[in-house]
Amino acid sequence: KAGVTQTPRYLIKTRGQQVTLSCSPISGHRSVSWYQQTPGQGLQFLFEYFSETQRNKGNFPGRFSGRQFSNSRSEMNVSTLELGDSALYLCASSLVGFANTGELFFGEGSRLTVL
Amino acid sequence: AQRVTQPEKLLSVFKGAPVELKCNYSYSGSPELFWYVQYSRQRLQLLLRHISRESIKGFTADLNKGETSFHLKKPFAQEEDSAMYYCALATQGGSEKLVFGKGTKLTVNP
Repeated sequence: KAGVTQTPRYLIKTRGQQVTLSCSPISGHRSVSWYQQTPGQGLQFLFEYFSETQRNKGNFPGRFSGRQFSNSRSEMNVSTLELGDSALYLCASSLVGFANTGELFFGEGSRLTVL
Repeated sequence: AQRVTQPEKLLSVFKGAPVELKCNYSYSGSPELFWYVQYSRQRLQLLLRHISRESIKGFTADLNKGETSFHLKKPFAQEEDSAMYYCALATQGGSEKLVFGKGTKLTVNP
């Protein structure tokens, strides 16, 4: 079974630009979560989607948004990039919803550098 | 507010020695706690969860609600245990949100 796939793996943007990151969950998984990982703040929850609906959102500004498609694939978008948005963005999927097993399957991440 | 604290950023032990990675949490409800691990050049993955009361790769963790702790322990560390360990808290209500600690890097020396 293929794991969680994130694209692109690396990208460089400049301040003010926007970026879209993509995540393909494990086949059959309907829940997709996004996390931001930085050396200073560690792993921070961005949002979670289940059946195309955002079920939970972390404490990030409105510049961070996401969506989920009918095939469970998810995208997140960051507009008006700031230097502080440089981070590893991790996507995680779970079978039905986290509450069932407590296990999230993580992708390798998309490393964003903002210059 | 939910918070997870891992007081040690780095922990170094010798092979065969006991190891304990500390985790304290702050949450007013009934918590669900997990340990995730990231080995070098691998993805973050679940190690164990408190509700299962299981031992994985020789590691165990007991939830102590009185001390709001969920320390990870192994009686005899192995070199292959060297990794980054994250304690995580899930809140009630079916929320798929995990609150992670900042992690402890464990190095097991030969």
